[in-house]
Amino acid sequence: AQSVTQLGSHVSVSEGALVLLRCNYSSSVPPYLFWYVQYPNQGLQLLLKYTTGATLVKGINGFEAEFKKSETSFHLTKPSAHMSDAAEYFCAVRRDSNYQLIWGAGTKLIIKP
Amino acid sequence: NAGVTQTPKFQVLKTGQSMTLQCAQDMNHEYMSWYRQDPGMGLRLIHYSVGAGITDQGEVPNGYNVSRSTTEDFPLRLLSAAPSQTSVYFCASSYYGLEATQYFGPGTRLTVL
Repeated sequence: AQSVTQLGSHVSVSEGALVLLRCNYSSSVPPYLFWYVQYPNQGLQLLLKYTTGATLVKGINGFEAEFKKSETSFHLTKPSAHMSDAAEYFCAVRRDSNYQLIWGAGTKLIIKP
Repeated sequence: NAGVTQTPKFQVLKTGQSMTLQCAQDMNHEYMSWYRQDPGMGLRLIHYSVGAGITDQGEVPNGYNVSRSTTEDFPLRLLSAAPSQTSVYFCASSYYGLEATQYFGPGTRLTVL
């Protein structure tokens, strides 16, 4: 069955350090891939998405992600963490059969001062 | 624009009670969806609608009903609440499909005793 795996339910980084959140997916067709962010007590909002074209995708708030087909990965990065980045991050892939999204379990990003 | 609004924010039910979660959007989006979010499981699609009068099931539809009489509103009905339905419920809307950018409401936290 198609799946999305986010490595690490919690990731802790120091303010100013590199943020790396990992996402691996399975798909038998060219994938559509997404990262959403959920700030405390709020709904989710789109950070960035990959559909076709350039494999390095830039999103809001300085985040970017790179689609690597050979590794079936779509890891999210940000060069320098800010306290306001503390949130839960969800990776998702479009299901091959019906365009619904399959969601990862989420990674909670903790920023240490 | 208010975006996507949901009421109530919190609800406690007893097993067997029924209730309706309200969702409205003012962006004239055709697609609307209901998700549930459970710890460690990401989001799961309950039901969705591709326009007024048209609804379809997601991956976890049992125990829930929906209808879509207008473009703006998409209520979710719990027919006979069960403890397994304790969750956070999110409504989302998008312009052209489930794989398009989805705009989420703030969520309803439901506890079934």
